[in-house]
Amino acid sequence: GESVGLHLPTLSVQEGDNSIINCAYSNSASDYFIWYKQESGKGPQFIIDIRSNMDKRQGQRVTVLLNKTVKHLSLQIAATQPGDSAVYFCAENKETSGSRLTFGEGTQLTVNP
Amino acid sequence: DVKVTQSSRYLVKRTGEKVFLECVQDMDHENMFWYRQDPGLGLRLIYFSYDVKMKEKGDIPEGYSVSREKKERFSLILESASTNQTSMYLCASSSGQGTYEQYFGPGTRLTVT
Repeated sequence: GESVGLHLPTLSVQEGDNSIINCAYSNSASDYFIWYKQESGKGPQFIIDIRSNMDKRQGQRVTVLLNKTVKHLSLQIAATQPGDSAVYFCAENKETSGSRLTFGEGTQLTVNP
Repeated sequence: DVKVTQSSRYLVKRTGEKVFLECVQDMDHENMFWYRQDPGLGLRLIYFSYDVKMKEKGDIPEGYSVSREKKERFSLILESASTNQTSMYLCASSSGQGTYEQYFGPGTRLTVT
């Protein structure tokens, strides 16, 4: 399953499928990007980050892809599990903003058994 | 592991009351942040602090103030609570040392009646 466009509030996938969550960022000068996962009733938790000098970074079952040409960021989750159901946020650090992060609106991922 | 704690998970206050939300981090982080989270609006930055007794306005500071008297503690104050301040409030901290990753607390769900 894949979310499209600037943002899609919800994405529903079958257990075991791969998920792709997309994010468009606003500032071509942003030099750091991060993905967070927020489960119901909890604060956001770090998943993976990437700097602007990279195109791809892999973690455990997750991959982040950065396309600076079109200012697009995606999070790929392999073999999605019910425990992956959550809201996923991308965030960017703009070069001139110190340690601030600017967050996207989030995508609700639902994994169906 | 970094731990960020918030004084209350749920809080109900009346319009006009003064409200204090407390946040404590245990990792000697320089930076601390207060966000509010509303459906469809993502995380919006209210105030942040890069050092003790230092504060800077975020994107939506109106109706709020903050206090950072000790490095580990960052308080958000609603001088006169209003119904439009009903929201989820999230506190975060970051080290400011080579990474922009922010660590979040569990959140406080504030209802103003």
